[in-house]
Amino acid sequence: DTAVSQTPKYLVTQMGNDKSIKCEQNLGHDTMYWYKQDSKKFLKIMFSYNNKELIINETVPNRFSPKSPDKAHLNLHINSLELGDSAVYFCASSPWDTYEQYFGPGTRLTVT
Amino acid sequence: AQSVTQPDIHITVSEGASLELRCNYSYGATPYLFWYVQSPGQGLQLLLKYFSGDTLVQGIKGFEAEFKRSQSSFNLRKPSVHWSDAAEYFCAGAGNTDKLIFGTGTRLQVFP
Repeated sequence: DTAVSQTPKYLVTQMGNDKSIKCEQNLGHDTMYWYKQDSKKFLKIMFSYNNKELIINETVPNRFSPKSPDKAHLNLHINSLELGDSAVYFCASSPWDTYEQYFGPGTRLTVT
Repeated sequence: AQSVTQPDIHITVSEGASLELRCNYSYGATPYLFWYVQSPGQGLQLLLKYFSGDTLVQGIKGFEAEFKRSQSSFNLRKPSVHWSDAAEYFCAGAGNTDKLIFGTGTRLQVFP
Protein backbone atom coordinates (compact mmCIF):
# COMPACT_ATOMS: atom_id res chain seq x y z
CA ASP A 1 0.00 0.00 0.00
CA THR A 2 2.91 2.34 -0.84
CA ALA A 3 1.62 5.88 -1.41
CA VAL A 4 4.24 7.12 -3.90
CA SER A 5 6.41 4.52 -5.57
CA GLN A 6 9.32 4.84 -7.96
CA THR A 7 11.16 2.34 -10.11
CA PRO A 8 13.95 1.57 -10.27
CA LYS A 9 15.51 2.42 -6.91
CA TYR A 10 19.03 2.32 -8.37
CA LEU A 11 20.09 3.01 -11.94
CA VAL A 12 23.68 2.74 -13.12
CA THR A 13 24.34 3.53 -16.75
CA GLN A 14 26.94 4.91 -19.12
CA MET A 15 27.18 8.35 -20.63
CA GLY A 16 25.14 8.78 -23.77
CA ASN A 17 22.49 6.23 -22.84
CA ASP A 18 18.76 6.92 -22.57
CA LYS A 19 16.90 5.88 -19.43
CA SER A 20 13.49 6.23 -17.81
CA ILE A 21 12.28 6.44 -14.23
CA LYS A 22 8.69 5.62 -13.41
CA CYS A 23 6.51 7.05 -10.66
CA GLU A 24 3.07 6.07 -9.46
CA GLN A 25 0.89 7.45 -6.66
CA ASN A 26 -2.21 5.86 -5.18
CA LEU A 27 -3.23 8.84 -3.04
CA GLY A 28 -5.69 10.23 -5.55
CA HIS A 29 -3.70 13.45 -5.81
CA ASP A 30 -4.02 15.75 -8.79
CA THR A 31 -0.47 17.09 -8.88
CA MET A 32 2.82 15.28 -9.33
CA TYR A 33 6.41 16.51 -9.30
CA TRP A 34 9.96 15.55 -10.14
CA TYR A 35 12.83 16.80 -8.00
CA LYS A 36 16.57 16.41 -8.32
CA GLN A 37 18.70 16.09 -5.19
CA ASP A 38 22.38 16.66 -5.75
CA SER A 39 25.33 15.31 -3.77
CA LYS A 40 25.02 18.17 -1.27
CA LYS A 41 21.39 17.19 -0.59
CA PHE A 42 20.07 20.31 -2.30
CA LEU A 43 16.54 19.71 -3.60
CA LYS A 44 15.39 21.43 -6.75
CA ILE A 45 12.10 21.07 -8.53
CA MET A 46 12.29 20.04 -12.17
CA PHE A 47 8.71 19.55 -13.33
CA SER A 48 5.18 19.62 -12.04
CA TYR A 49 2.05 18.18 -13.63
CA ASN A 50 -1.53 18.81 -12.62
CA ASN A 51 -4.03 16.32 -13.99
CA LYS A 52 -1.68 15.37 -16.85
CA GLU A 53 -0.98 19.01 -17.74
CA LEU A 54 2.52 20.48 -17.37
CA ILE A 55 2.45 23.47 -15.01
CA ILE A 56 6.05 23.88 -13.90
CA ASN A 57 9.03 23.41 -16.15
CA GLU A 58 12.17 24.72 -14.52
CA THR A 59 15.33 25.43 -16.47
CA VAL A 60 16.00 21.79 -17.15
CA PRO A 61 17.91 20.60 -20.25
CA ASN A 62 15.74 19.38 -23.13
CA ARG A 63 17.23 15.94 -22.61
CA PHE A 64 14.79 15.56 -19.72
CA SER A 65 11.23 14.88 -20.76
CA PRO A 66 8.40 14.09 -18.35
CA LYS A 67 5.35 12.19 -19.44
CA SER A 68 2.09 11.80 -17.57
CA PRO A 69 -0.16 9.10 -19.10
CA ASP A 70 -2.73 9.67 -16.36
CA LYS A 71 -2.91 11.64 -13.14
CA ALA A 72 -1.57 8.73 -11.08
CA HIS A 73 1.62 8.35 -13.11
CA LEU A 74 4.49 10.66 -13.97
CA ASN A 75 7.51 9.23 -15.73
CA LEU A 76 10.84 10.89 -16.44
CA HIS A 77 12.80 10.07 -19.55
CA ILE A 78 16.39 11.22 -19.89
CA ASN A 79 18.22 11.21 -23.22
CA SER A 80 21.97 11.25 -23.80
CA LEU A 81 22.88 10.93 -20.14
CA GLU A 82 25.79 13.02 -18.85
CA LEU A 83 27.99 12.67 -15.78
CA GLY A 84 26.30 15.70 -14.23
CA ASP A 85 22.95 13.92 -14.29
CA SER A 86 24.13 11.68 -11.46
CA ALA A 87 21.84 12.46 -8.53
CA VAL A 88 18.86 11.16 -6.61
CA TYR A 89 15.56 11.85 -8.36
CA PHE A 90 12.44 12.10 -6.28
CA CYS A 91 8.86 11.94 -7.38
CA ALA A 92 6.20 13.58 -5.22
CA SER A 93 2.48 14.21 -5.30
CA SER A 94 0.05 16.57 -3.64
CA PRO A 95 -3.60 17.52 -3.67
CA TRP A 96 -4.14 20.45 -5.99
CA ASP A 97 -3.10 23.82 -4.58
CA THR A 98 -2.07 22.65 -1.09
CA TYR A 99 1.70 22.31 -1.57
CA GLU A 100 1.55 19.44 0.93
CA GLN A 101 3.75 17.04 -0.97
CA TYR A 102 4.33 13.36 -0.38
CA PHE A 103 7.57 11.91 -1.67
CA GLY A 104 8.60 8.63 -3.18
CA PRO A 105 11.69 6.73 -1.99
CA GLY A 106 13.93 8.17 -4.70
CA THR A 107 15.92 6.78 -7.60
CA ARG A 108 19.68 7.01 -7.33
CA LEU A 109 21.04 7.55 -10.84
CA THR A 110 24.75 7.04 -11.41
CA VAL A 111 26.20 7.90 -14.80
CA THR A 112 29.67 6.49 -15.52
CA ALA B 1 12.92 36.68 -4.15
CA GLN B 2 11.21 34.01 -2.12
CA SER B 3 13.61 31.90 -0.13
CA VAL B 4 13.98 29.53 2.79
CA THR B 5 17.18 29.53 4.82
CA GLN B 6 18.47 26.95 7.25
CA PRO B 7 21.49 28.53 8.94
CA ASP B 8 22.82 25.35 10.52
CA ILE B 9 24.37 22.78 8.20
CA HIS B 10 25.11 20.26 10.93
CA ILE B 11 23.92 19.92 14.53
CA THR B 12 25.01 17.39 17.11
CA VAL B 13 23.03 16.64 20.26
CA SER B 14 23.10 14.00 22.95
CA GLU B 15 20.25 11.54 23.18
CA GLY B 16 17.63 12.86 25.56
CA ALA B 17 18.61 16.48 25.03
CA SER B 18 16.26 19.07 23.57
CA LEU B 19 16.52 20.12 19.94
CA GLU B 20 15.82 23.26 17.97
CA LEU B 21 16.46 23.49 14.22
CA ARG B 22 16.29 26.94 12.71
CA CYS B 23 14.44 28.02 9.60
CA ASN B 24 13.99 31.52 8.22
CA TYR B 25 11.82 32.47 5.30
CA SER B 26 11.60 35.41 2.96
CA TYR B 27 8.15 35.84 1.48
CA GLY B 28 5.94 38.84 0.82
CA ALA B 29 2.95 37.38 2.61
CA THR B 30 2.56 34.55 5.09
CA PRO B 31 3.74 31.46 3.29
CA TYR B 32 2.77 27.87 3.72
CA LEU B 33 5.60 26.30 5.72
CA PHE B 34 6.68 22.70 6.13
CA TRP B 35 9.29 20.56 7.81
CA TYR B 36 10.41 17.31 6.22
CA VAL B 37 12.79 14.63 7.47
CA GLN B 38 14.97 12.45 5.28
CA SER B 39 16.58 9.37 6.81
CA PRO B 40 19.65 7.95 5.02
CA GLY B 41 18.70 6.37 1.72
CA GLN B 42 15.05 7.28 2.13
CA GLY B 43 12.59 9.75 0.68
CA LEU B 44 11.30 12.82 2.47
CA GLN B 45 8.63 12.41 5.12
CA LEU B 46 6.37 15.29 6.09
CA LEU B 47 6.75 16.10 9.80
CA LEU B 48 4.38 19.06 10.08
CA LYS B 49 2.90 22.00 8.25
CA TYR B 50 1.71 25.54 8.89
CA PHE B 51 -0.94 27.19 6.76
CA SER B 52 -2.60 29.66 9.11
CA GLY B 53 -4.14 29.94 12.58
CA ASP B 54 -2.40 28.69 15.69
CA THR B 55 1.28 29.53 15.37
CA LEU B 56 2.42 26.45 17.31
CA VAL B 57 1.90 23.33 15.24
CA GLN B 58 2.30 19.76 16.33
CA GLY B 59 3.67 17.09 14.07
CA ILE B 60 4.53 13.45 14.02
CA LYS B 61 7.28 11.79 16.06
CA GLY B 62 6.95 14.33 18.89
CA PHE B 63 8.06 17.34 16.83
CA GLU B 64 6.55 20.80 16.96
CA ALA B 65 7.30 24.08 15.21
CA GLU B 66 6.44 27.67 15.95
CA PHE B 67 5.68 30.28 13.33
CA LYS B 68 6.99 33.72 14.31
CA ARG B 69 6.07 36.41 11.83
CA SER B 70 8.15 39.08 13.56
CA GLN B 71 11.28 36.97 13.16
CA SER B 72 10.33 35.38 9.81
CA SER B 73 11.09 32.05 11.43
CA PHE B 74 9.60 28.59 11.63
CA ASN B 75 11.87 26.67 13.98
CA LEU B 76 11.47 22.97 14.63
CA ARG B 77 11.69 21.67 18.19
CA LYS B 78 11.66 18.43 20.08
CA PRO B 79 11.95 18.21 23.88
CA SER B 80 13.91 14.96 24.01
CA VAL B 81 15.81 13.57 21.04
CA HIS B 82 16.05 9.85 20.32
CA TRP B 83 18.90 8.20 18.42
CA SER B 84 16.43 7.36 15.63
CA ASP B 85 15.94 11.09 15.00
CA ALA B 86 19.36 11.29 13.36
CA ALA B 87 18.59 12.37 9.80
CA GLU B 88 18.55 15.33 7.42
CA TYR B 89 15.85 17.91 8.12
CA PHE B 90 14.46 20.23 5.48
CA CYS B 91 12.37 23.32 5.93
CA ALA B 92 10.25 24.31 2.93
CA GLY B 93 7.95 27.14 2.00
CA ALA B 94 5.41 27.98 -0.67
CA GLY B 95 4.01 31.39 -1.50
CA ASN B 96 2.22 32.79 -4.48
CA THR B 97 3.97 30.61 -7.01
CA ASP B 98 3.33 26.98 -7.75
CA LYS B 99 6.63 25.89 -6.25
CA LEU B 100 7.71 24.51 -2.91
CA ILE B 101 11.13 25.97 -2.10
CA PHE B 102 13.39 23.93 0.12
CA GLY B 103 16.13 25.06 2.46
CA THR B 104 19.54 23.49 2.16
CA GLY B 105 18.92 21.08 5.02
CA THR B 106 20.33 20.50 8.50
CA ARG B 107 22.01 17.23 9.30
CA LEU B 108 21.22 16.06 12.82
CA GLN B 109 23.63 13.75 14.56
CA VAL B 110 22.64 12.15 17.88
CA PHE B 111 25.21 10.85 20.33
CA PRO B 112 24.28 8.17 22.88
